[in-house]
Amino acid sequence: QVQLQESGPGLVKPSGTLSLTCAVSGGSISSSNWWSWVRQPPGKGLEWIGEIYHSGSTNYNPSLKSRVTISVDKSKNQFSLKLSSVTAADTAVYYCASKLPLPPNYYYYMDVWGKGTTVTVSS
Amino acid sequence: IQLTQSPSSLSASVGDRVTITCRASQGISSYLAWYQQKPGKAPKLLIYAASTLQSGVPSRFSGSGSGTDFTLTISSLQPEDFATYYCQQLNSYPTFGQGTRLEIK
Repeated sequence: QVQLQESGPGLVKPSGTLSLTCAVSGGSISSSNWWSWVRQPPGKGLEWIGEIYHSGSTNYNPSLKSRVTISVDKSKNQFSLKLSSVTAADTAVYYCASKLPLPPNYYYYMDVWGKGTTVTVSS
Repeated sequence: IQLTQSPSSLSASVGDRVTITCRASQGISSYLAWYQQKPGKAPKLLIYAASTLQSGVPSRFSGSGSGTDFTLTISSLQPEDFATYYCQQLNSYPTFGQGTRLEIK
């Protein structure tokens, strides 16, 4: 069973860049999964940020696309998130998740999630 | 695609049958999932493809619907079921409903 673990700074200054990494264990990042980032502001709902395939193909939330970069490092079996020009509105718990094909139709769904990491944007 | 869940919150007792609805702003076929989230924890996948129970999830959970209208039903509430539930569509870029908080009456 794949396991995911987020890591990165818990505090980022306004206008700076948020950088997080998700380490994949128990499986290969080169498998048939999409690797996603989702965030949850304090006391609020879930927001999908974007995803990457091991080939490097990406999809981003249109509302964040201009500030988001997701990359994959196959040698380290991990993927990363960069969010630029952050403000207090980007304060949230950030989750990485694996989107994998599930039977019977083998469409993709987010089945495995990391525990999440809290990022606060503050000076 | 926007998802609207109702109700936003719900009080119920152990043993009750509860239903949460999720309406999509446009048709999404059956490309819908339901998650359970407990405080301080990551979401847990319960139902996908609108009605398929994820492995290991108790059979008291069920899902139905297609197109724009979907439901999550818990047939007999257990103490561990009190949590927040989210629907999610994956027909286009993924979006989530605003959540339904299920509380103990």
